[in-house]
Amino acid sequence: GESVGLHLPTLSVQEGDNSIINCAYSNSASDYFIWYKQESGKGPQFIIDIRSNMDKRQGQRVTVLLNKTVKHLSLQIAATQPGDSAVYFCAVSYNTDKLIFGTGTRLQVFP
Amino acid sequence: GAVVSQHPSWVICKSGTSVKIECRSLDFQATTMFWYRQFPKQSLMLMATSNEGSKATYEQGVEKDKFLINHASLTLSTLTVTSAHPEDSSFYICSAYGESQPQHFGDGTRLSIL
Repeated sequence: GESVGLHLPTLSVQEGDNSIINCAYSNSASDYFIWYKQESGKGPQFIIDIRSNMDKRQGQRVTVLLNKTVKHLSLQIAATQPGDSAVYFCAVSYNTDKLIFGTGTRLQVFP
Repeated sequence: GAVVSQHPSWVICKSGTSVKIECRSLDFQATTMFWYRQFPKQSLMLMATSNEGSKATYEQGVEKDKFLINHASLTLSTLTVTSAHPEDSSFYICSAYGESQPQHFGDGTRLSIL
């Protein structure tokens, strides 16, 4: 089976700093990984994804790093802004459409 | 692109009634839709996978007679919570995707059963 965990339930950063949110997964055969952002009272919003044939992918202000050796995934947010405050989930799948979600990390950005 | 609309956004009803939640893909055809349930400050738990024109596949522990899912077209799936009770109160979220990932999510339905 697959279990997905996050290292920290809450991450507090100062506006302008970089944020790093981590995620560990258990199934070494997992082949697709996604980061979602969820604001209060809303559904998850897609941020960035990566497949197992890559180890890094960049978007606008965000970078996802995949380390298959240690089964670790991270999301880096550059120049964190107040609008980045939300709960961030990693989700993982293996050769299937179904996603297994991590427990979530709450990112708090203070001025 | 890839907009998923969920309706209603919140509903309050009496115990024993049935509630229907709609999930629509607005700008793409969704071959597969998923229904999740989320408790406060917790993660999303997959309830069932819905494919257009076929029966839904339910996750272990989810009562299929309690949570009826219909995926009648490539743009619409519905979840009906039958004979709802207070323990069914939760945040229900759907997601959909078309020919390729990722899944895109609706904004959820907050269900409160009195």
